[in-house]
Amino acid sequence: DAGITQSPRHKVTETGTPVTLRCHQTENHRYMYWYRQDPGHGLRLIHYSYGVKDTDKGEVSDGYSVSRSKTEDFLLTLESATSSQTSVYFCAISESRGQETQYFGPGTRLLVL
Amino acid sequence: QQQVKQSPQSLIVQKGGISIINCAYENTAFDYFPWYQQFPGKGPALLIAIRPDVSEKKEGRFTISFNKSAKQFSLHIMDSQPGDSATYFCAATNYNQGGKLIFGQGTELSVKP
Repeated sequence: DAGITQSPRHKVTETGTPVTLRCHQTENHRYMYWYRQDPGHGLRLIHYSYGVKDTDKGEVSDGYSVSRSKTEDFLLTLESATSSQTSVYFCAISESRGQETQYFGPGTRLLVL
Repeated sequence: QQQVKQSPQSLIVQKGGISIINCAYENTAFDYFPWYQQFPGKGPALLIAIRPDVSEKKEGRFTISFNKSAKQFSLHIMDSQPGDSATYFCAATNYNQGGKLIFGQGTELSVKP
C-alpha cells in the first residue's frame, strides 16, 4: 500500500461521540486525501491537503474536519459522529496534483451506532 | 457537471471473455481519466489511465477507449481471468482542481471459471 497506514482499521462508536482517524505515510508525498466509500456512490472526497497546514474541502466535507501538522500525518475528525457517517474511509497520497497516481491506504471501517 | 456516471453496476463474464465497463462525464475541462481496481478488503490501486489527446491506450490485457466528442470512455479487459474479479472505478480530474478525483459509482466484476 505504498507506505501508507491507517489507524484504527476498524472502529465502532456511538452517535454523538467524536472520532479521529489517522493516516500516516512514509513516502514524503505533498498531497494527502480523505475519501469515503459507500455502495452506489463510489469514492467521494471529504478533504484534502496540499501541504503542512494547507487543507481544502472536498465534495462531502460537512461534519468532518482535518488537520495536517506534519508532512507524514493527516487526521480526519468527525466532531459528533452520526449514523450517516458509517462508511469505509480511505486515505490517499500523491506526489503532485492533477495527472498523478493517487496511492490508497488499506482503509478504516467505521460503524456509528 | 462534476459527475462521472459508470455502468454497469455489476458484470459477470466467463473466463476468456471480454469485460467492458463504460463511463460518461459532463465536464469538458477534465484532462485525466484513470481507472482504479479494488480487491475486497483493500484500497483501490491505479490500473491504467488516459489523457484526452489520445483515443486508446493499451497495457497488456487492459485497454481504455476514449471518445472525446461523446464524453465517454470505457475499459476493456481482454481474455478475462478469475483473478480480474474485483471492483473497478473510473475517475476524472482537471489539473486546476488540485488533483481532486471524481469517481464513478463502481462496477463489481466477477469472472467465472
